[in-house]
Parts: sequence; C-alpha cells; structure tokens
Amino acid sequence: AQTVTQSQPEMSVQEAETVTLSCTYDTSENNYYLFWYKQPPSRQMILVIRQEAYKQQNATENRFSVNFQKAAKSFSLKISDSQLGDTAMYFCAFTPTSGTYKYIFGTGTRLKVLA
Amino acid sequence: GAVVSQHPSWVICKSGTSVKIECRSLDFQATTMFWYRQFPKQSLMLMATSNEGSKATYEQGVEKDKFLINHASLTLSTLTVTSAHPEDSSFYICSARVAGMNEQFFGPGTRLTVL
Repeated sequence: AQTVTQSQPEMSVQEAETVTLSCTYDTSENNYYLFWYKQPPSRQMILVIRQEAYKQQNATENRFSVNFQKAAKSFSLKISDSQLGDTAMYFCAFTPTSGTYKYIFGTGTRLKVLA
Repeated sequence: GAVVSQHPSWVICKSGTSVKIECRSLDFQATTMFWYRQFPKQSLMLMATSNEGSKATYEQGVEKDKFLINHASLTLSTLTVTSAHPEDSSFYICSARVAGMNEQFFGPGTRLTVL
C-alpha cells in the first residue's frame, strides 16, 4: 500500500527565516508525482510545488523549493524568507502516473509564521 | 486557468433532509472528479472518484446510498448527501483532473452543518 508520512504536526518559524517541512512516502511505483499543497484558513487548497519522480532536478518555485531524494523516498519542502501569509496547513501528496490518479495525502503540518 | 467552483460554499440543513453540492470545472473539461471530506485539523479523506458518464467508485467505508455522486457532464459533478444527520457535518471538497495530467485542481469547499 502507498503511504505518505508527515512527521511534524506543527511547526513555527520567525518571519524572514527558513523552514523545512518533511515528507516521506512508500511506494513500489517507479513513476509518480509528488506535490505540496498549502491550505490557508480559507481552506482553499493551493498548489505550492510539484515534482515528477523521473526528474532528478529538484523543483523550485520562487521562495519554495524541494529536496527530492528518490532512493530515500523523501520529499521535503523548504520555505525561504518566510512570510506571515505562509501561515497554513501544508499537505504532501503522492499520485502514481497511471491507474486511478488518486492522491495519497499526508496528515499535514501546521505552519505558523511568527512576526 | 484550471478553476473549479463549488456551490454552495456553506449550507445548513435539518436532520433528515438531503443536500446537493455542485462541483464545476469552469474553464476546462474534467475527465475525472474527486470528492473529499475533511474534518477540522485533519487531512483530506477521499470519498469517491467519478468519471464522466460512469458510476462513481467509492472508497472503502463510504456509504454509496448516503453519498450519491453524479458526473453527468465533463464540467459538472454533484454530491448529494441523503437523509443527512449531524455526523455528516463536515467540509466537503471536490477536485477535477484533465485527461493526460496527474494534477488535481481543487474547489473552494463546502461547509455542511446538519442540525
């Protein structure tokens, strides 16, 4: 069975500092996608960043970057220059490239950015 | 692009009544739509997957007769909570997927309160 684990239920970071959220997953698939979603208090799910497993280069989107370690099945999210608007729940998600296209979500990490 | 809407955004109903929630892809045709349920401070729980023109596939433990899903067109899926009870109160989120893509686009969610 495919699983996604987020071991940090809550984290906090000072404004302008850097924080890393961890995510590990388990799968026997070779091709898949990984995502980080942000869910602010409005509860709208917002895509932060995506990574295709066959791409070795780590994805980057402005202040957000990932450290994708395929062999270790690890997919951490680094937020640089944290802003108050980054306060939200962050979910890591996995989906295989074939089959049902269902997402497997982690349990989430609640991030609070402190002024 | 890739906007998904949900209607209503919130609804309050009496116990025993039925409630319909609509999920629309506004600027694309959705091959597959997904329905999730989210309890406070928890992750998204997949309820069912629906493909246009075919019956929905429900996750284990989800009552098919209580949560009726219809995906009549490539832009509209509906979730009907039949004979709602207070324990059905939750936040319901839909998402949509385009053929050939692995990413899901999420609606803003519907908060259901059953009195």
